[in-house]
Amino acid sequence: DVQLVESGGGLVQPGGSLRLSCAASGFTVSSNYMSWVRQAPGKGLEWVSLIYSGGSTYYADSVKGRFTISRDNSKNTLYIQMNSLRAEDTAVYYCARVMSVGANYFDSWGQGTLVTVSS
Amino acid sequence: DIQMTQSPSTLSASVGDSVTITCRASQSISSWLAWYQQKPGKAPKLLIYKASSLESGVPSRFSGSGSGTEFTLTISSLQPDDFSTYYCQQYNSYPLTFGGGTKVEIK
Repeated sequence: DVQLVESGGGLVQPGGSLRLSCAASGFTVSSNYMSWVRQAPGKGLEWVSLIYSGGSTYYADSVKGRFTISRDNSKNTLYIQMNSLRAEDTAVYYCARVMSVGANYFDSWGQGTLVTVSS
Repeated sequence: DIQMTQSPSTLSASVGDSVTITCRASQSISSWLAWYQQKPGKAPKLLIYKASSLESGVPSRFSGSGSGTEFTLTISSLQPDDFSTYYCQQYNSYPLTFGGGTKVEIK
């Protein structure tokens, strides 16, 4: 069975950094497109970033230059490094598997990890 | 960026009702649209992709239609488990964007 388990969330001060992890099982992260999607408290879903199997990366304008998506093939794990965090980055962060090449919708999701940016 | 607008934002219905949620794109996205269901405190769940294709394991009372800029999600004969929030998502181009959500409540 496909499983995605996020970790690394927590409370961080504005301007700080955090790295989230998403451990995958049941499939190979490096063979798939993978993504991060976030949801601010009481709000809707917002796409954050996506990495292709070939390594190309894409970002929402709201995080470009501050967040970096990556993966560790040996650990079958997806990451997102978040720097220069702002209050508006407070959200539950979900990792998600993209269905297939050219079909950038999400067929499997993790349970999410909460990031709170506050002093 | 392609803006996705859902309506209504909240919908009150009873068990057994048929309900329809609309999603409009600010420009044509062909059929590159997905629908998700989300329950409180849980991750979204894929229901429909390519506007009208039902994800494996999703009950047949869920159906999607549309192309271009206007899309609908219909739930026929609403069940207690269907009271949730529903989101559309376009994957025609980056940035990927979601609609604002439609909460289906018990009347």
